[in-house]
Amino acid sequence: DAGVIQSPRHEVTEMGQEVTLRCKPISGHNSLFWYRQTMMRGLELLIYFNNNVPIDDSGMPEDRFSAKMPNASFSTLKIQPSEPRDSAVYFCASSLRRDPGYTFGSGTRLTVV
Amino acid sequence: TQLLEQSPQFLSIQEGENLTVYCNSSSVFSSLQWYRQEPGEGPVLLVTVVTGGEVKKLKRLTFQFGDARKDSSLHITAAQPGDTGLYLCAGAHGNAGKSTFGDGTTLTVKP
Repeated sequence: DAGVIQSPRHEVTEMGQEVTLRCKPISGHNSLFWYRQTMMRGLELLIYFNNNVPIDDSGMPEDRFSAKMPNASFSTLKIQPSEPRDSAVYFCASSLRRDPGYTFGSGTRLTVV
Repeated sequence: TQLLEQSPQFLSIQEGENLTVYCNSSSVFSSLQWYRQEPGEGPVLLVTVVTGGEVKKLKRLTFQFGDARKDSSLHITAAQPGDTGLYLCAGAHGNAGKSTFGDGTTLTVKP
């Protein structure tokens, strides 16, 4: 298994632009999580899905952030419009539901200038 | 509110030394995970502990879950440079499906 695949690995964009991060979870995993990691705040859960349904989006910082999971093998996290304070590493992780251990992707390092 | 506190925040030791890092909370968890993260990569799951008082060993790493399931420790024997990384603990509540992460301990093992 190739693991959790995220793209792009790096993204540099200008303030105000739309950014879309992509994630392919491990086949057969039915829970998917989006986390954001910064030096100041560590790993923060943004949103998670069970069986493609959003369960808890209380960590999404603002309406500028949205996430979708149209099918079991693909999810997106979109920021529109982006701001410099959104700069961080964004991780996608997947797991079998009721299995507390996650498999993380390699992350997308987002820089908004 | 930080639910999981890890200590120390930074640790720098020489190869061959032993060390212990801690993960503490006022909350009871149904399970607790330890991850190691290397620069430029995502966290990698090392172990899950479920039962109060449980001890698990992974080569030179020993993980213990507190009796009350509120805290955990990770002990590394004879540390090696390859152990360098950010060690994160994460706690899960019941079947909620989501875990809360601590801020991590950054370990540097010097050759």
